[in-house]
Parts: sequence; C-alpha cells; structure tokens
Amino acid sequence: EAGVAQSPRYKIIEKRQSVAFWCNPISGHATLYWYQQILGQGPKLLIQFQNNGVVDDSQLPKDRFSAERLKGVDSTLKIQPAKLEDSAVYLCASKKLEGGGQPYNEQFFGPGTRLTVL
Amino acid sequence: GENVEQHPSTLSVQEGDSAVIKCTYSDSASNYFPWYKQELGKRPQLIIDIRSNVGEKKDQRIAVTLNKTAKHFSLHITETQPEDSAVYFCAATLTGSARQLTFGSGTQLTVLP
Repeated sequence: EAGVAQSPRYKIIEKRQSVAFWCNPISGHATLYWYQQILGQGPKLLIQFQNNGVVDDSQLPKDRFSAERLKGVDSTLKIQPAKLEDSAVYLCASKKLEGGGQPYNEQFFGPGTRLTVL
Repeated sequence: GENVEQHPSTLSVQEGDSAVIKCTYSDSASNYFPWYKQELGKRPQLIIDIRSNVGEKKDQRIAVTLNKTAKHFSLHITETQPEDSAVYFCAATLTGSARQLTFGSGTQLTVLP
C-alpha cells in the first residue's frame, strides 16, 4: 500500500512569512496527526483529526498555527506568521480506527517537511 | 499528562555487542508502549511494541521489557549491526482514551564496525 505522502519536503522562509504543508494519509486511515519534531527531540503532537473532526488540538499554538482536513482525507497545516523557533520537521501520521478487538493500531509516518525559518 | 524520559541520549557500541535503551513514564494508567526507529532524514518506523498485560516481547534481535511497578520499559538489541545505527524513540499512551502518544527525546545509536 502507498505510504503517507507529504509536501514539500523542504521549505526555507523568512520570519513573519507564511507557510503551508500538505499531507495525504494512507487510504482508509480515519485518524491523522500532525507532529512537530525539533532537532534532537521526539515528535510532539500538534493536532489530531478523526475523519474531518478535530480530536485534540491542545498543543497547537492557535495564534499562529492552523490545520484543516475538510473532506476527511488530505490535510493542510499552516503557520502564519512564522517565528524562528518554528524551525523543525513537521511530520504527518495516520492510522486506522481501532476495532475488531485491536486496542491500538500502528501509526504510519510520512517523510516530513523540514522547515527552516531565517 | 504523561511524561516520558529516555536514556541515554547517545549510545555507541561495537558491532556484535548488545545495546539497551531505557524509558520511564509518569502515568501509571499508560498501557501501550511502542518503539520507533528513525534513520537519518527518514520517517519514524515502528519496530516493536508492548502492552501492559505482558512483561516482555521479542522479535528476532529486538526485545522490549516492561516493569509496570517501576514504570519503566527498555529496548534491547542483540548482535548489533551497522544498519541498526539510527535514532530510537520510545512512546507511551493509554489505549481507548483521547490520550495521544507521548514520545521520549530519542537515543542516537551508533554501531561501530
């Protein structure tokens, strides 16, 4: 099966500019996550969607970050305006909904978008 | 919320030796503990996981142990090979809840030929 797709792979912007990332999850995966991974740290969850609804966005800096998954498939994450500390890899992940006795399904990660804010 | 600490941050071993990475978690309710491997410039990939109803799980050269009382779990890699060189992340969560995976800070494993 095709994996999680993300674009662009790399992005360099000036601070205060805007940027958008795109994610296409694995077909049939209802749950989609956006993570921020700062160099030398583990992934930190920004937002979780189930279909087109937000499940958890408690760690999303809503004054500058926004995300949507309008049709319950692809998702976009936007930063406006960007700050120096937003430099990181932004990972998208997806997984199937649990069911049929499966307590937790595997999350599959995309290749990430490396953002550099100058 | 959950807090996961991971040690060591870097680990170098000779090829053929064993490597052990340890994680501790704070929430005793957590019941699912996956380990991810992330090679340089690539996506994290699940290599093994363990649920709280078992104390140990093994898959070829990789094993994970869980001590629920002490709230720590460890990744063991035996007969290490150069291709095992990567960053390894542990994580913890409570299944069936709204809680998400909380990741450790990662361990850079280098296997020296």
